[in-house]
Amino acid sequence: GESVGLHLPTLSVQEGDNSIINCAYSNSASDYFIWYKQESGKGPQFIIDIRSNMDKRQGQRVTVLLNKTVKHLSLQIAATQPGDSAVYFCADGSSNTGKLIFGQGTTLQVKP
Amino acid sequence: DVKVTQSSRYLVKRTGEKVFLECVQDMDHENMFWYRQDPGLGLRLIYFSYDVKMKEKGDIPEGYSVSREKKERFSLILESASTNQTSMYLCASNSATGRNEQFFGPGTRLTVL
Repeated sequence: GESVGLHLPTLSVQEGDNSIINCAYSNSASDYFIWYKQESGKGPQFIIDIRSNMDKRQGQRVTVLLNKTVKHLSLQIAATQPGDSAVYFCADGSSNTGKLIFGQGTTLQVKP
Repeated sequence: DVKVTQSSRYLVKRTGEKVFLECVQDMDHENMFWYRQDPGLGLRLIYFSYDVKMKEKGDIPEGYSVSREKKERFSLILESASTNQTSMYLCASNSATGRNEQFFGPGTRLTVL
């Protein structure tokens, strides 16, 4: 079946370094991609999204890159801070349905 | 500020009990979703609804049912709770037009003894 997966279950980085979290998706029909951040005890919160007609989108300290050729999505966090420690999920979906398929999540640990 | 609320943050039930999980959104969204979240498995879709009284099965509907009598409210029902339904349950909603971003509630951690 269709699934979205993250390459690493855990990523540990030093405070101030840049973080890169990777994700692979399998559905060629997906045209919408999104990253969520989930802190302990909370529901997932939106970070950034991108549509299939783009290959890069930037937000505040975050950048999402989309490579449709290899069905790969990445989230880059600049100058990682302790408050960035959380589980990060990628998801893909079709704008026709509003549904999303989620990956398993990557836990980002920021070392002081 | 947009909001999705869930009726309980923590819930403890016994095997065989009927369990109701309520979700309310104030964004006038057409679509609503119920997921369960388990370690190592990510978020798995149980049921979703495109409109009032409309429902469709997700990937893991067995043992669950849903109700959507009003646009803002989507209920998840465990007809006879079992221990393997111990999990974190997340509700989400989004608009049928425009962006696909789903807005999530805080989750309900259900323990079935």
